[in-house]
Amino acid sequence: NAGVTQTPKFQVLKTGQSMTLQCAQDMNHNSMYWYRQDPGMGLRLIYYSASEGTTDKGEVPNGYNVSRLNKREFSLRLESAAPSQTSVYFCASTLDLAVGEQFFGPGTRLTVL
Amino acid sequence: AQSVTQLGSHVSVSEGALVLLRCNYSSSVPPYLFWYVQYPNQGLQLLLKYTTGATLVKGINGFEAEFKKSETSFHLTKPSAHMSDAAEYFCAGRGSNTGKLIFGQGTTLQVKP
Repeated sequence: NAGVTQTPKFQVLKTGQSMTLQCAQDMNHNSMYWYRQDPGMGLRLIYYSASEGTTDKGEVPNGYNVSRLNKREFSLRLESAAPSQTSVYFCASTLDLAVGEQFFGPGTRLTVL
Repeated sequence: AQSVTQLGSHVSVSEGALVLLRCNYSSSVPPYLFWYVQYPNQGLQLLLKYTTGATLVKGINGFEAEFKKSETSFHLTKPSAHMSDAAEYFCAGRGSNTGKLIFGQGTTLQVKP
């Protein structure tokens, strides 16, 4: 099992450009999450999908959109990138909402110039 | 408000010394608590978790944590630090029935030879 995979690993964008971050999990998990990590701020939830077909906003959703393509895949889109979106993005998934243990991907390092 | 607080953004210990990383949670956070470790340029890896039952939880790599409800604490310890323990550590609690995690700000552990 690959666990949670993310593509790309690195990306540099210019202000105003768009891109989609891809995430897939092969653990048959129901719920998936997108976080961003910034120095000194821990991880902040952007969007999550409690189950296939549903998505909800997290703590910092502005400037992002998501798509739960199927049970395996959950993508994050930046429609018009801004320098404030320079960050490391992590995707995670969990099988059991009641406990909340999450498994994380390796991350995407995004720089917006 | 639900919150998880890690006391000390940086902790430095000598190799072989006791490691103590502090975490406190607000009483509104359900008692499902986690410690994650992040090595440089990698994703988060689960060290240990507390859900129910025994309040002393053992994890990987010799780490353990004790859930103390009266103190709303979940401190992480390891009797003897190893150079390979140098990393960033995150305490997290389950925030709601959606499985969302609330993260502390992180503690960077430095191990000196």
